[in-house]
Parts: sequence; C-alpha cells; structure tokens
Amino acid sequence: QVVLTQSPSASASLGASVKLTCTLSSGHNTYAITWHQQQPERGPRYLMQLNSDGSHVRGNGIPDRFSGSSSGAERYLTISSLQSEDEGDYYCQTWGTGIRVFGGGTKLTVL
Amino acid sequence: QVTLKESGPVLVKPTETLTLTCTVSGFSLSSGRLGVSWIRQPPGKALEWLAYIYSNGEKAYNKSLQNRLTIFKDSSKSQVVLTLTNVDPVDTATYYCARDCGATNCYVFDYWGQGTLVTVSS
Repeated sequence: QVVLTQSPSASASLGASVKLTCTLSSGHNTYAITWHQQQPERGPRYLMQLNSDGSHVRGNGIPDRFSGSSSGAERYLTISSLQSEDEGDYYCQTWGTGIRVFGGGTKLTVL
Repeated sequence: QVTLKESGPVLVKPTETLTLTCTVSGFSLSSGRLGVSWIRQPPGKALEWLAYIYSNGEKAYNKSLQNRLTIFKDSSKSQVVLTLTNVDPVDTATYYCARDCGATNCYVFDYWGQGTLVTVSS
C-alpha cells in the first residue's frame, strides 16, 4: 500500500519562498498527488493536482505563488512571496482504486 | 458552484452509531463519474480518509475501519450518508466530506465541506 511521508514542520520568512516535500513509498513513484492547505481553525482547501512529470493544475482561485514539481518519488509544493495567511498545515494526498491516502502533514510557520 | 455541507450530531455516546449526512450541490451524484469521500481529523491530528462512494455505486472503505463503516447515497436528495457503529472516544473528530473524482475534468478532493465536529463522550 502506498504511503506518503512529509516533514512535520517547516518555516520561512515573510516574502521568502519555501519548498515542502512529500515522498511516495517505494514502488509508487509514478503516482500523482494532490496538495491541500489547512489554515488555522479552518477546513482543508484544495491547492493543486501534481503529476509525476511535474505538470500541475491549480484549483480555482489559487494564486500562481503556489507551484508544484516532481523528481522521482518526491513531490514538491513551492510557495513564493510568502504571506502571513500561508501559515498553516499542508497535506499531500494520493489515490488508487479503493484507496485514498494522506500524508501526515507539514506545519508551515511564516516568520 | 460546487458546495458540500456536513450535518449530524454534535455529541454521541460510546457504543452508539454515528450517522452523518453530506448534502451536495453543483454536481450530480447519479452521473459523470463523480463521488463523495468522507474524511476525518481528530483534534490536533492529521487527516484520515474513511470511505468513498461514486455515482455508479462503487464504494470503498478504509481497511482499518471497514467493519464499522457504511456509506450510501440518495441521489434524488443529493446526499451521501456515512454511518460509524460502536463509537469510542477515539472517534472524536471533525468529519469532512469532499468531492471525489474519477473523470478528466475534476480532481480528487477538489471541493471540501466546512466540517462538523463530533464528540464521543458519555
């Protein structure tokens, strides 16, 4: 079964960029994933689908400060020009027939 | 405009059955290779997928909970219902429904409900 691994925490300064990583378990490096943002005390929000070739499709209203890229089993979410409202938890997620899996989430702190 | 809204009890006693309803609008539960998933999040913890159901009736459950979960839909009411039997305090969580997708013009979990907090306590 596919497993997604995320670092528990990350931090970056206001106006800077940050790159979050989601790692697919062995044998699953062709899987696409989705990224979701959860701001404090709010529900999750879909950010994008990220394919193994690095192509990605952002959700409605998601600014292009959010971008995705891929390398092997790694899936990345880069947030540029960090703003205070970007602080929160970021989850990656993948799917197959009969299964949906989330990573453990990364808590992003904007300094 | 796609929306999803969860409803259900705020408080449930241990050993009881929890029943949650997701009412959707902006897409059909009877066509288009679309569906709904239920996901939960215990306080301070990560998201956990529970189950999905698709427009064609296809269902799937989280293997660790499948003996306690049932999902079904009423397309005429645009509703998806999830039941969780024999609840325990560890089932205390915010429960979300989200649109699920097996088509080319949508994405898995591209729309979420606001969530409903359920507490299991005597």
